[in-house]
Amino acid sequence: GQQLNQSPQSMFIQEGEDVSMNCTSSSIFNTWLWYKQDPGEGPVLLIALYKAGELTSNGRLTAQFGITRKDSFLNISASIPSDVGIYFCAGQLGNNDMRFGAGTRLTVKP
Amino acid sequence: KAGVTQTPRYLIKTRGQQVTLSCSPISGHRSVSWYQQTPGQGLQFLFEYFSETQRNKGNFPGRFSGRQFSNSRSEMNVSTLELGDSALYLCASSRDGWNTEAFFGQGTRLTVV
Repeated sequence: GQQLNQSPQSMFIQEGEDVSMNCTSSSIFNTWLWYKQDPGEGPVLLIALYKAGELTSNGRLTAQFGITRKDSFLNISASIPSDVGIYFCAGQLGNNDMRFGAGTRLTVKP
Repeated sequence: KAGVTQTPRYLIKTRGQQVTLSCSPISGHRSVSWYQQTPGQGLQFLFEYFSETQRNKGNFPGRFSGRQFSNSRSEMNVSTLELGDSALYLCASSRDGWNTEAFFGQGTRLTVV
């Protein structure tokens, strides 16, 4: 089906380190989106990717839409304590129908 | 510009009851979709509405239904509540739902006892 495999499930890093997470799927998606969710809140959109091969940055965050349209990665550089949270990838099929990865729980130690 | 607003934030219901959740999208956005989030299943797509019509539907039973009004506000209804319906229900709005950025509300935390 249109399942997304997101890895890693969790990461424990030291403040200042770089972070990388990715999502893969056997299906092709039209759009890839990356969200961050804090406890008890809705996901907040970080980056949206629309074209295969597209590389987009948002501050310390960089994401890429894979050439095959079946994968995407998110990098966070020079992590800080407020980066703590759960990061989700989402592949958009259209009609605002998004399939989500299971999330990567990021812990940043000061 | 105001974000996506969901009401209520928290709700406690008993098994067998029904519940209605509300979502007001960002001004100018016509697509509203609904998701259920649970620790075990993650984020799962329920359905999407555009211009008062349901365009797409996920794999949920018929107890889950929705509608959209002419001002793009949407409601989701769950009838005959079950314990397993306890979840965070999120709505997301986007301009037209097709390859456009989708923004989430804070969600409604539903607890069924």
